[in-house]
Amino acid sequence: AQSVAQPEDQVKVAEGNPLTVKCTYSVSGNPYLFWYVQYPNRGLQFLLKYITGDNLVKGSYGFEAEFNKSQTSFHLKKPSALVSDSALYFCAVNSNYQLIWGAGTKLIIKP
Amino acid sequence: ETGVTQSPTHLIKTRGQQVTLRCSSQSGHNTVSWYQQALGQGPQFIFQYYREEENGRGNFPPRFSGLQFPNYSSELNVNALELDDSALYLCASSLGTRGPEAFFGQGTRLTVV
Repeated sequence: AQSVAQPEDQVKVAEGNPLTVKCTYSVSGNPYLFWYVQYPNRGLQFLLKYITGDNLVKGSYGFEAEFNKSQTSFHLKKPSALVSDSALYFCAVNSNYQLIWGAGTKLIIKP
Repeated sequence: ETGVTQSPTHLIKTRGQQVTLRCSSQSGHNTVSWYQQALGQGPQFIFQYYREEENGRGNFPPRFSGLQFPNYSSELNVNALELDDSALYLCASSLGTRGPEAFFGQGTRLTVV
């Protein structure tokens, strides 16, 4: 079965520090991987994706993610966190036609 | 903003009733997918429409049905509403079915009482 796991329900980081939100996946074939962010009472906003090519993918708002095939991971990173980064983050893998989602990680950036 | 609009934004229905949710896709996008997001959970795939045909379906009963129109807008219909259908319903449009990123509307919050 194809799945996505976000092992941390919540991540707390001080403003200015680097942040990592973890994601691992299980899918047959080559994965198409995505990160989305959701603010309260809003829909999901696309951050970045990995289809093929360079394992380090850069996206919106200074976020990046590293694809690691051997560890089946696609962790989201940012070198210096902002308070405005506080939100709910979802990792997803595209399997054929549907996106399969992780349960989400709540990111809290402390001033 | 993504250019994907959903209506209504909120509604309250009684158990057993029927509801229709609407989605206007981003200009040029030929694919619409619908997701159900329960509180505190990730979205669950309901179905996808590609060029007016159902292209795939998740693990939802037949009382969840949909349509895509020639302008690529879409409807989600739910019959015989149950309390567990209370959720945020998200519509996403994309150009193609797999590689391109999906752009989401703000969602419709459905409450079944």
